Parts: sequence; C-alpha cells; structure tokens
Amino acid sequence: QQQVKQSPQSLIVQKGGISIINCAYENTAFDYFPWYQQFPGKGPALLIAIRPDVSEKKEGRFTISFNKSAKQFSLHIMDSQPGDSATYFCAALTGGSYIPTFGRGTSLIVHP
Amino acid sequence: GAGVSQSPSNKVTEKGKDVELRCDPISGHTALYWYRQSLGQGLEFLIYFQGNSAPDKSGLPSDRFSAERTGGSVSTLTIQRTQQEDSAVYLCASSVQFGEETQYFGPGTRLLVL
Repeated sequence: QQQVKQSPQSLIVQKGGISIINCAYENTAFDYFPWYQQFPGKGPALLIAIRPDVSEKKEGRFTISFNKSAKQFSLHIMDSQPGDSATYFCAALTGGSYIPTFGRGTSLIVHP
Repeated sequence: GAGVSQSPSNKVTEKGKDVELRCDPISGHTALYWYRQSLGQGLEFLIYFQGNSAPDKSGLPSDRFSAERTGGSVSTLTIQRTQQEDSAVYLCASSVQFGEETQYFGPGTRLLVL
C-alpha cells in the first residue's frame, strides 16, 4: 500500500522554466511534509518542509503548496536551473512515528 | 565527522554470501536509521536505533537481515545468504534524537548481488 503517491516519475524542463512535482497522501494523521533532493551518488538532503497549518511555504526559488482538504502537496521550482537536475522525493510523517513515508521520486532534468 | 559516512560505497557479491554494511552517524546524533532504495522506488524504511536499542524491527524484509549498533555510534547492517533481489542502495541517516524530523543521510552503499 503506497501511502504517498508522487508524480510525475520524470520531468524535463528548460532552463528558466517552472518545475512542478505533485504528491498525494491518504493518511490524515500525517502532520509534516518534507521534500528531499538527491543528486546522483549522494544521499537525499532535506530541501524544504511544511506543516498542514499553512498553505504555502517559500524558500528562495522553492515553494511548497499544501492543500489539506485535497490531501495534496506540491513542490514548485521557479526559474529552474541545470544545477537543479536531481531526483526529488516527497515524504510525510506523523508526530507519533517520525519515520517518513516516501514517494517514489521524480527525476528532474533541466536543460540549459 | 562532518556528515554521515557509509562503507563500502560499492559492494559486489555472489548470491548466497553474507555482507556487512557500515554506517558512521554524525557525532552526537543518538538516532540512526537504515533505508533501502531500489531502482525506481522510493526509500523503504528498514530499522531505526535510539541509542543502541532498536525498538521496531518490523521493517526488515526478512530474517536474513539484521542490524546492530554499539556504543551509540557505529551501526552495521548484515545481510545473510544474499539474494539478487537484495541488490539496492542501502542508505543510513541520523538525527540528533528520535523524534527530530530532520534526518541527515549518508551517501549510501550500492549493493549488487550476482
């Protein structure tokens, strides 16, 4: 049972464009939603995270949009750069578990 | 150390052999986690340690998998009688304490079972 569904599996964007990755969850007990960025040969690194009490969080070119009623959240990368090319994972946690449930990842390629 | 380190970075083994994967967490981090990342899949949680204790082993895929942590620091994940389906990247992460939402990942060990 996949509790966090992530799409698309792969994404190709031109430099300067907007990259959008979507995730949907089922467990309403989830209360923390991080995004991880993983470069080839490296482990995932926390990029940005949001709690369900806000609908949007922005850090530089990265924005999380959160829709609690729809149980969906998305990552927007503005002005995408070739250096953003990586695999992105969404995740969700409950306060009682602290073990993330990960989406299957999105491979992002930003063409120069 | 500056970050989580794992060794070896790559491991090729023959089916049926045992392998040991090592994780050195960030100094002072009491919580340590093991994950498995298969091609095209997300991260599959295997086990976590709070100190030297592993309260929940239910994520381990089979009884061929075991893990230990000694001295509240280094952890070893052992896979006995490896199978081809064990081929994956095994990631270790640590956090200051269990309950901290931010986990810091190592670079992983890429295991290939022939």
